[in-house]
Amino acid sequence: ETGVTQTPRHLVMGMTNKKSLKCEQHLGHNAMYWYKQSAKKPLELMFVYNFKEQTENNSVPSRFSPECPNSSHLFLHLHTLQPEDSALYLCASSQGNGGAPETQYFGPGTRLLVL
Amino acid sequence: GENVEQHPSTLSVQEGDSAVIKCTYSDSASNYFPWYKQELGKRPQLIIDIRSNVGEKKDQRIAVTLNKTAKHFSLHITETQPEDSAVYFCAALSNTGTASKLTFGTGTRLQVTL
Repeated sequence: ETGVTQTPRHLVMGMTNKKSLKCEQHLGHNAMYWYKQSAKKPLELMFVYNFKEQTENNSVPSRFSPECPNSSHLFLHLHTLQPEDSALYLCASSQGNGGAPETQYFGPGTRLLVL
Repeated sequence: GENVEQHPSTLSVQEGDSAVIKCTYSDSASNYFPWYKQELGKRPQLIIDIRSNVGEKKDQRIAVTLNKTAKHFSLHITETQPEDSAVYFCAALSNTGTASKLTFGTGTRLQVTL
Protein backbone atom coordinates (compact mmCIF):
# COMPACT_ATOMS: atom_id res chain seq x y z
CA GLU A 1 0.00 0.00 0.00
CA THR A 2 2.89 2.43 0.60
CA GLY A 3 4.92 1.54 -2.50
CA VAL A 4 3.59 4.53 -4.44
CA THR A 5 2.60 7.66 -2.55
CA GLN A 6 0.94 10.84 -3.75
CA THR A 7 0.50 14.26 -2.22
CA PRO A 8 -1.69 16.07 -1.69
CA ARG A 9 -4.60 13.64 -1.48
CA HIS A 10 -7.13 16.41 -2.06
CA LEU A 11 -6.72 19.77 -3.77
CA VAL A 12 -9.10 22.62 -4.48
CA MET A 13 -7.83 25.35 -6.75
CA GLY A 14 -9.10 28.30 -8.70
CA MET A 15 -8.61 28.61 -12.44
CA THR A 16 -5.82 31.16 -12.01
CA ASN A 17 -3.86 29.20 -9.41
CA LYS A 18 -0.65 27.27 -9.90
CA LYS A 19 -0.20 24.05 -7.99
CA SER A 20 1.83 20.86 -8.21
CA LEU A 21 1.02 17.21 -7.60
CA LYS A 22 3.77 14.96 -6.31
CA CYS A 23 4.29 11.23 -6.70
CA GLU A 24 7.00 9.11 -5.13
CA GLN A 25 7.65 5.42 -5.61
CA HIS A 26 9.67 3.22 -3.26
CA LEU A 27 9.71 0.12 -5.47
CA GLY A 28 12.94 0.68 -7.36
CA HIS A 29 11.03 1.10 -10.60
CA ASN A 30 12.23 3.04 -13.61
CA ALA A 31 8.95 3.93 -15.31
CA MET A 32 6.33 6.32 -13.95
CA TYR A 33 2.95 7.39 -15.30
CA TRP A 34 0.26 10.00 -14.81
CA TYR A 35 -3.37 9.01 -15.39
CA LYS A 36 -6.56 11.02 -15.20
CA GLN A 37 -9.71 9.33 -13.87
CA SER A 38 -12.99 11.14 -14.49
CA ALA A 39 -16.47 9.94 -13.65
CA LYS A 40 -17.89 7.49 -16.20
CA LYS A 41 -14.71 7.54 -18.28
CA PRO A 42 -11.88 5.05 -18.55
CA LEU A 43 -8.55 5.78 -16.96
CA GLU A 44 -6.76 8.09 -19.40
CA LEU A 45 -3.00 7.88 -19.75
CA MET A 46 -1.45 11.34 -19.72
CA PHE A 47 2.31 10.98 -19.55
CA VAL A 48 4.92 8.23 -19.39
CA TYR A 49 8.48 8.59 -18.13
CA ASN A 50 11.07 5.87 -18.46
CA PHE A 51 14.48 6.36 -16.85
CA LYS A 52 13.55 10.04 -16.35
CA GLU A 53 12.85 10.57 -20.05
CA GLN A 54 9.35 11.37 -21.27
CA THR A 55 8.32 8.67 -23.71
CA GLU A 56 4.63 9.45 -24.05
CA ASN A 57 2.52 12.59 -24.07
CA ASN A 58 -1.02 11.56 -24.83
CA SER A 59 -2.10 14.87 -26.38
CA VAL A 60 -2.37 16.51 -22.99
CA PRO A 61 -3.05 20.29 -22.90
CA SER A 62 -0.04 22.43 -22.01
CA ARG A 63 -1.70 23.60 -18.79
CA PHE A 64 -0.48 20.23 -17.44
CA SER A 65 3.31 20.12 -17.22
CA PRO A 66 5.07 16.98 -15.96
CA GLU A 67 8.50 16.82 -14.39
CA CYS A 68 10.58 13.77 -13.53
CA PRO A 69 13.79 14.76 -11.72
CA ASN A 70 14.72 11.14 -10.99
CA SER A 71 13.26 7.65 -11.31
CA SER A 72 11.60 7.85 -7.90
CA HIS A 73 9.79 11.18 -8.20
CA LEU A 74 7.23 12.51 -10.60
CA PHE A 75 5.46 15.86 -10.52
CA LEU A 76 2.51 17.29 -12.37
CA HIS A 77 2.52 21.08 -12.47
CA LEU A 78 -0.88 22.67 -12.94
CA HIS A 79 -1.69 26.18 -14.12
CA THR A 80 -4.78 27.96 -15.46
CA LEU A 81 -6.87 24.81 -15.22
CA GLN A 82 -10.50 24.54 -16.27
CA PRO A 83 -13.41 23.11 -14.25
CA GLU A 84 -13.50 20.09 -16.59
CA ASP A 85 -10.01 19.22 -15.35
CA SER A 86 -11.53 18.23 -12.01
CA ALA A 87 -10.79 14.54 -11.60
CA LEU A 88 -8.76 11.97 -9.71
CA TYR A 89 -5.13 12.07 -10.84
CA LEU A 90 -3.37 8.77 -10.39
CA CYS A 91 0.32 8.09 -10.49
CA ALA A 92 1.66 4.63 -11.29
CA SER A 93 5.04 2.99 -11.64
CA SER A 94 6.42 -0.14 -13.25
CA GLN A 95 9.76 -1.85 -13.60
CA GLY A 96 10.46 -0.16 -16.93
CA ASN A 97 12.56 -2.91 -18.44
CA GLY A 98 10.88 -2.25 -21.78
CA GLY A 99 11.09 -5.82 -22.91
CA ALA A 100 8.52 -7.96 -21.15
CA PRO A 101 4.97 -7.06 -20.11
CA GLU A 102 5.00 -5.56 -16.67
CA THR A 103 2.61 -4.71 -13.90
CA GLN A 104 1.80 -1.11 -13.04
CA TYR A 105 1.28 -0.18 -9.41
CA PHE A 106 -0.91 2.77 -8.58
CA GLY A 107 -0.72 5.46 -5.95
CA PRO A 108 -3.80 6.56 -3.97
CA GLY A 109 -4.45 9.51 -6.24
CA THR A 110 -5.02 13.23 -5.80
CA ARG A 111 -8.63 14.31 -6.04
CA LEU A 112 -8.59 17.69 -7.75
CA LEU A 113 -11.44 20.17 -7.83
CA VAL A 114 -11.09 23.23 -10.04
CA LEU A 115 -13.47 26.05 -9.21
CA GLY B 1 -3.89 3.01 -31.03
CA GLU B 2 -5.39 0.39 -28.77
CA ASN B 3 -9.11 0.48 -27.98
CA VAL B 4 -10.57 -1.54 -25.12
CA GLU B 5 -14.30 -2.07 -24.64
CA GLN B 6 -15.74 -3.49 -21.42
CA HIS B 7 -19.18 -4.90 -20.62
CA PRO B 8 -21.37 -4.70 -18.67
CA SER B 9 -21.00 -1.27 -17.07
CA THR B 10 -22.91 -2.44 -13.99
CA LEU B 11 -23.49 -5.91 -12.65
CA SER B 12 -25.52 -7.01 -9.67
CA VAL B 13 -25.28 -10.57 -8.37
CA GLN B 14 -26.40 -12.36 -5.26
CA GLU B 15 -23.82 -13.54 -2.79
CA GLY B 16 -22.53 -16.93 -3.82
CA ASP B 17 -23.33 -16.48 -7.49
CA SER B 18 -20.72 -16.05 -10.24
CA ALA B 19 -19.89 -12.81 -12.02
CA VAL B 20 -18.42 -12.48 -15.50
CA ILE B 21 -17.00 -9.31 -17.03
CA LYS B 22 -15.95 -9.21 -20.68
CA CYS B 23 -13.49 -7.05 -22.58
CA THR B 24 -12.43 -6.77 -26.19
CA TYR B 25 -9.32 -5.12 -27.58
CA SER B 26 -8.32 -3.93 -31.02
CA ASP B 27 -4.53 -4.16 -31.24
CA SER B 28 -3.45 -7.70 -32.05
CA ALA B 29 0.05 -6.81 -30.82
CA SER B 30 -1.18 -6.31 -27.24
CA ASN B 31 0.39 -9.00 -25.12
CA TYR B 32 -0.58 -8.43 -21.50
CA PHE B 33 -4.01 -8.10 -19.94
CA PRO B 34 -4.32 -7.10 -16.28
CA TRP B 35 -7.48 -6.69 -14.26
CA TYR B 36 -7.71 -4.06 -11.55
CA LYS B 37 -10.17 -3.74 -8.71
CA GLN B 38 -10.95 -0.28 -7.36
CA GLU B 39 -12.93 0.07 -4.18
CA LEU B 40 -14.64 3.35 -3.41
CA GLY B 41 -12.11 6.06 -2.64
CA LYS B 42 -9.14 3.74 -3.09
CA ARG B 43 -6.47 3.13 -5.69
CA PRO B 44 -6.82 0.53 -8.47
CA GLN B 45 -5.20 -2.71 -7.35
CA LEU B 46 -4.10 -5.54 -9.58
CA ILE B 47 -6.08 -8.71 -8.89
CA ILE B 48 -5.02 -10.97 -11.74
CA ASP B 49 -3.27 -10.73 -15.08
CA ILE B 50 -2.69 -12.90 -18.12
CA ARG B 51 -0.04 -12.89 -20.81
CA SER B 52 -0.76 -13.55 -24.45
CA ASN B 53 0.94 -16.95 -24.45
CA VAL B 54 -1.60 -18.32 -21.97
CA GLY B 55 -5.30 -19.01 -22.50
CA GLU B 56 -6.47 -19.20 -18.92
CA LYS B 57 -5.25 -18.36 -15.44
CA LYS B 58 -6.87 -18.98 -12.09
CA ASP B 59 -6.23 -17.66 -8.59
CA GLN B 60 -8.65 -19.04 -5.99
CA ARG B 61 -12.09 -17.59 -6.81
CA ILE B 62 -10.84 -15.45 -9.67
CA ALA B 63 -10.04 -16.61 -13.19
CA VAL B 64 -9.25 -14.88 -16.45
CA THR B 65 -9.58 -16.32 -19.97
CA LEU B 66 -8.03 -14.96 -23.13
CA ASN B 67 -9.04 -15.62 -26.74
CA LYS B 68 -6.34 -14.05 -28.90
CA THR B 69 -8.04 -14.93 -32.15
CA ALA B 70 -11.24 -13.15 -31.19
CA LYS B 71 -9.33 -10.49 -29.23
CA HIS B 72 -11.37 -10.78 -26.11
CA PHE B 73 -10.70 -11.65 -22.49
CA SER B 74 -12.94 -12.19 -19.51
CA LEU B 75 -12.85 -12.06 -15.72
CA HIS B 76 -14.72 -14.73 -13.80
CA ILE B 77 -15.43 -14.44 -10.09
CA THR B 78 -17.01 -17.46 -8.44
CA GLU B 79 -18.75 -17.69 -5.06
CA THR B 80 -19.01 -13.91 -4.88
CA GLN B 81 -18.86 -12.20 -1.50
CA PRO B 82 -19.95 -8.69 -0.42
CA GLU B 83 -16.30 -7.61 -0.29
CA ASP B 84 -16.06 -8.28 -4.02
CA SER B 85 -18.25 -5.20 -4.55
CA ALA B 86 -16.10 -2.65 -6.40
CA VAL B 87 -15.36 -1.28 -9.84
CA TYR B 88 -13.33 -3.63 -12.01
CA PHE B 89 -11.19 -2.43 -14.90
CA CYS B 90 -9.67 -4.49 -17.66
CA ALA B 91 -6.67 -3.24 -19.58
CA ALA B 92 -4.53 -4.18 -22.55
CA LEU B 93 -0.86 -3.42 -22.84
CA SER B 94 0.95 -2.28 -25.94
CA ASN B 95 4.63 -2.56 -25.30
CA THR B 96 6.30 0.45 -26.85
CA GLY B 97 9.77 -0.97 -26.39
CA THR B 98 10.49 1.46 -23.59
CA ALA B 99 7.75 1.65 -20.97
CA SER B 100 4.46 -0.21 -21.04
CA LYS B 101 1.35 1.62 -22.20
CA LEU B 102 -1.91 0.39 -20.70
CA THR B 103 -5.28 1.15 -22.27
CA PHE B 104 -8.17 0.69 -19.86
CA GLY B 105 -11.78 -0.29 -20.30
CA THR B 106 -14.53 1.91 -18.91
CA GLY B 107 -15.02 -0.22 -15.82
CA THR B 108 -17.73 -2.50 -14.43
CA ARG B 109 -19.41 -1.66 -11.16
CA LEU B 110 -20.06 -4.97 -9.42
CA GLN B 111 -22.56 -5.09 -6.60
CA VAL B 112 -22.84 -8.26 -4.56
CA THR B 113 -26.07 -8.37 -2.61
CA LEU B 114 -26.86 -10.49 0.43
